[in-house]
Amino acid sequence: DAGITQSPRHKVTETGTPVTLRCHQTENHRYMYWYRQDPGHGLRLIHYSYGVKDTDKGEVSDGYSVSRSKTEDFLLTLESATSSQTSVYFCATGLGNTEAFFGQGTRLTVV
Amino acid sequence: SQQGEEDPQALSIQEGENATMNCSYKTSINNLQWYRQNSGRGLVHLILIRSNEREKHSGRLRVTLDTSKKSSSLLITASRAADTASYFCATYIGGSEKLVFGKGTKLTVNP
Repeated sequence: DAGITQSPRHKVTETGTPVTLRCHQTENHRYMYWYRQDPGHGLRLIHYSYGVKDTDKGEVSDGYSVSRSKTEDFLLTLESATSSQTSVYFCATGLGNTEAFFGQGTRLTVV
Repeated sequence: SQQGEEDPQALSIQEGENATMNCSYKTSINNLQWYRQNSGRGLVHLILIRSNEREKHSGRLRVTLDTSKKSSSLLITASRAADTASYFCATYIGGSEKLVFGKGTKLTVNP
């Protein structure tokens, strides 16, 4: 798994509460990505980072923010969780324009 | 909308048969990648084909790329029950580092 750790692995939260998911890598990869996976939609890119403090939006960024204060950590925050954000979230890392390495996923349920 | 679209959405075959999955994409690419996901796990990179390549092999995998049709295919020969998984194609959107995925093909190989 290329030294990628997602935490927590499972979380249940209430609607309207803030939630932060963490992705930690030990590979010193420049690029980091957050995806959500839902039945019938495959993987959709939420945000990605191309360096410390450098991030950009993906396909489904509304309701999500990210931060990357150091190379190894990429945080995904749901400012006010909604039921539509119930999903499995995957973090990935890479060197750019080549293969990506994935974490094991975080299953988030918003009730 | 998503960059890649796999076809078929689901495929069920017998052990020993070949499995072919197709992917279409929308923008220009530098390379196209295929990934595999076992149920409940993170994605694992299988193979990358560059835009100037037409065919690439890796073990029982054969990937073709037709940039004029913006399509790729993944062939798994002599399938095994252990090949049961979902398969995704992925591309970087038009020169950027945004790595986007299709919706995937769910392959079931029956013993």
